[in-house]
Amino acid sequence: NAGVTQTPKFRILKIGQSMTLQCAQDMNHNYMYWYRQDPGMGLKLIYYSVGAGITDKGEVPNGYNVSRSTTEDFPLRLELAAPSQTSVYFCASRGLAGGFNEQFFGPGTRLTVL
Amino acid sequence: GQQVMQIPQYQHVQEGEDFTTYCNSSTTLSNIQWYKQRPGGHPVFLIQLVKSGEVKKQKRLTFQFGEAKKNSSLHITATQTTDVGTYFCAGPLTGANSKLTFGKGITLSVRP
Repeated sequence: NAGVTQTPKFRILKIGQSMTLQCAQDMNHNYMYWYRQDPGMGLKLIYYSVGAGITDKGEVPNGYNVSRSTTEDFPLRLELAAPSQTSVYFCASRGLAGGFNEQFFGPGTRLTVL
Repeated sequence: GQQVMQIPQYQHVQEGEDFTTYCNSSTTLSNIQWYKQRPGGHPVFLIQLVKSGEVKKQKRLTFQFGEAKKNSSLHITATQTTDVGTYFCAGPLTGANSKLTFGKGITLSVRP
């Protein structure tokens, strides 16, 4: 199993450009998450999904959109990039509760907006 | 809102020294998780604690959940350079077990 994969690894955007960060998992996990990580600030939840067709806002959703058309994929869309969106973005997934609630993280996408 | 706090954010130790860090929640937690992120890497799950007063060990790492389930500690015995990284604690949001609130983490550096 590849686990959680993210593409691209790095990206530089100009202000106002749009892009989609891709995330996929092959563990048949229902829950998927998008976090951003800024230096010294920990992980902030952007959006999450409890299953295909269901998404909800996290702590910092402004400027982002998501969709979950399949169990495997959970893309994150930035419509009008702003310098404040410069960050490292992590996608994570988790299986159903009943055992450990551990989240599995992807390798991250480092985004710079200039 | 619900907060999970880790203070300080940075700690430097000499290789071989012991290291302890703490995590405090503003609310009672149903469980607490610890993650480790190596420099340039992604968070990796270490452990989950569920019961009041629970203690779990992983080799040189000892994790404890407080009696009131509002705090937790991580103790590393005889630190090694491989322990370098940022350690996060995280707890589920009240009434929303599917979401975690992460602390800001503590970044550990080890002098060889």
